[in-house]
Amino acid sequence: NAGVTQTPKFQVLKTGQSMTLQCAQDMNHNSMYWYRQDPGMGLRLIYYSASEGTTDKGEVPNGYNVSRLNKREFSLRLESAAPSQTSVYFCASSPPPQKPNYNEQFFGPGTRLTVL
Amino acid sequence: TQLLEQSPQFLSIQEGENLTVYCNSSSVFSSLQWYRQEPGEGPVLLVTVVTGGEVKKLKRLTFQFGDARKDSSLHITAAQPGDTGLYLCAGARLNRDDKIIFGKGTRLHILP
Repeated sequence: NAGVTQTPKFQVLKTGQSMTLQCAQDMNHNSMYWYRQDPGMGLRLIYYSASEGTTDKGEVPNGYNVSRLNKREFSLRLESAAPSQTSVYFCASSPPPQKPNYNEQFFGPGTRLTVL
Repeated sequence: TQLLEQSPQFLSIQEGENLTVYCNSSSVFSSLQWYRQEPGEGPVLLVTVVTGGEVKKLKRLTFQFGDARKDSSLHITAAQPGDTGLYLCAGARLNRDDKIIFGKGTRLHILP
């Protein structure tokens, strides 16, 4: 099993350009997440999807859109990139929540994005 | 407001020493997790604690969940250079939805 895969690993964009970050998981997890990680800020949730066909905003959704294409794939789109979106982006998935709610996260290797 | 406060933010110690890092909150959590992240990689789950007062051991790492389920600690015995990394705590708040929240992390550097 590959776990959680992300593409691309690195990307440089100019302000105003658009791009889509791809994420796929092969663990049959229901929930998938997109985080950004910035120095001194920790991991912040951008969007999440509790199941195929549903998406919800996280802590920092502005400037991003997501698509839960199917159970395996969850993509993140930047429509008009800004320098403030320079960050490392992580996709994660988690198995169905048990009682109590564990939500253990399995992360991909990350995409390092620079917006000039 | 940071719901999960980790301390210290940075720690640099010699190989062989012991250390403890802390994760504190004013909120109650149904479970709390610890992750380790190495440079250029995603975080990897180390342990989940779910019962107040629970202690779990992973080789030289000891994790404890506070009795009130508002805090946790990670103790490393005889630290080794391979323990170097960013340690993140994360928790699922009681009776909340299925998101978890992360602390900002403790960056640990073990000097050989």
